[in-house]
Amino acid sequence: NAGVTQTPKFRVLKTGQSMTLLCAQDMNHEYMYWYRQDPGMGLRLIHYSVGEGTTAKGEVPDGYNVSRLKKQNFLLGLESAAPSQTSVYFCASSGLYEQYFGPGTRLTVT
Amino acid sequence: GENVEQHPSTLSVQEGDSAVIKCTYSDSASNYFPWYKQELGKGPQLIIDIRSNVGEKKDQRIAVTLNKTAKHFSLHITETQPEDSAVYFCAASALDNDMRFGAGTRLTVKP
Repeated sequence: NAGVTQTPKFRVLKTGQSMTLLCAQDMNHEYMYWYRQDPGMGLRLIHYSVGEGTTAKGEVPDGYNVSRLKKQNFLLGLESAAPSQTSVYFCASSGLYEQYFGPGTRLTVT
Repeated sequence: GENVEQHPSTLSVQEGDSAVIKCTYSDSASNYFPWYKQELGKGPQLIIDIRSNVGEKKDQRIAVTLNKTAKHFSLHITETQPEDSAVYFCAASALDNDMRFGAGTRLTVKP
């Protein structure tokens, strides 16, 4: 099992560009999450999904959109990137409790 | 919403000593309290968790205690080893899966 995988690993965007981060899990988990991690601030939840076709807002959802068209995939979109979105993004999946994290995507917006 | 505070932000111990990291939470509905270890360049990995119906849980050199009345929980690592050096995060969540994390503690174990 690969667990949770994220694509891409690194990306540099110019302000105003758009991109999609892909998360895939092979553990048949119902729940999936997107977090951002900034220095000194821990992980903050952006959006999450409790099942295929559902999404919900987390703590810091502004500027991001998500989709869960298939149970195993959770996509995070940035429609118009801003320098404030420079961060490391982590995807996670879970059954009822324990969350399993992917390796992260380091995004820089210049 | 839930607010989780974690202390200290950095902790340095000698190999073999114990390390204690403390967290407080605000939402009395929270009932699940995991601890994650994050090594450089990797995603967080669960090391131990506790649910609200239990006051303490141990797994070899790692233990977690929970005081629901005071809304705080702690991670205890005994007989620390250099490979324990990492950033540790506490978190709290209720059944809605909206998990909130502490800011992290950078633990350094000096050989």
